[in-house]
Amino acid sequence: AQKVTQAQTEISVVEKEDVTLDCVYETRDTTYYLFWYKQPPSGELVFLIRRNSFDEQNEISGRYSWNFQKSTSSFNFTITASQVVDSAVYFCALSEAYGGSQGNLIFGKGTKLSVKP
Amino acid sequence: DGGITQSPKYLFRKEGQNVTLSCEQNLNHDAMYWYRQDPGQGLRLIYYSQIVNDFQKGDIAEGYSVSREKKESFPLTVTSAQKNPTAFYLCASSRSYNQPQHFGDGTRLSIL
Repeated sequence: AQKVTQAQTEISVVEKEDVTLDCVYETRDTTYYLFWYKQPPSGELVFLIRRNSFDEQNEISGRYSWNFQKSTSSFNFTITASQVVDSAVYFCALSEAYGGSQGNLIFGKGTKLSVKP
Repeated sequence: DGGITQSPKYLFRKEGQNVTLSCEQNLNHDAMYWYRQDPGQGLRLIYYSQIVNDFQKGDIAEGYSVSREKKESFPLTVTSAQKNPTAFYLCASSRSYNQPQHFGDGTRLSIL
């Protein structure tokens, strides 16, 4: 069965610190997709990134970077030089390419990040 | 601007009452989804639709119903059979399955 685990329930950092949010997933599919979403206090989910299971290249987008390692079934998210505006709940999610639930997102429980000035 | 509109933002339900949450998108997306979020929890899938006039149950469909008569619209009805409806409901759409889902601002449903 598929599952996403975000072991860190809450993280608190001071502005300008780097912070890494962990995500571990389980799936029996060889083809799958991994996502990160940000949920600010206003409530809507904002899409950050999608990776497919065949692309293990790390990705950097400004202060955000993602480390995908199939060997450890992890897709970790790092924010460099954190800012107060980064305060939000971050969700990692998995979708499988095949099977009855293809395309449906399985979410982790989220990590609440608080960045203090 | 293209996007997903959910209404109302806040909704109150009386005992034994059905209520309908609206979700409209102008992104020309084929797939639409409804999720429920409880405090401190991730999102759980209620229903999804990959094409007009077709929809499938998600993980927690009991007590809910949907329709997909138009590509742009995917309303969710919370029936009286749903005994614990208080939650934050999020609607999403995507071009097709496995594409990134784009979310609305959500509807917060409470019981009077």
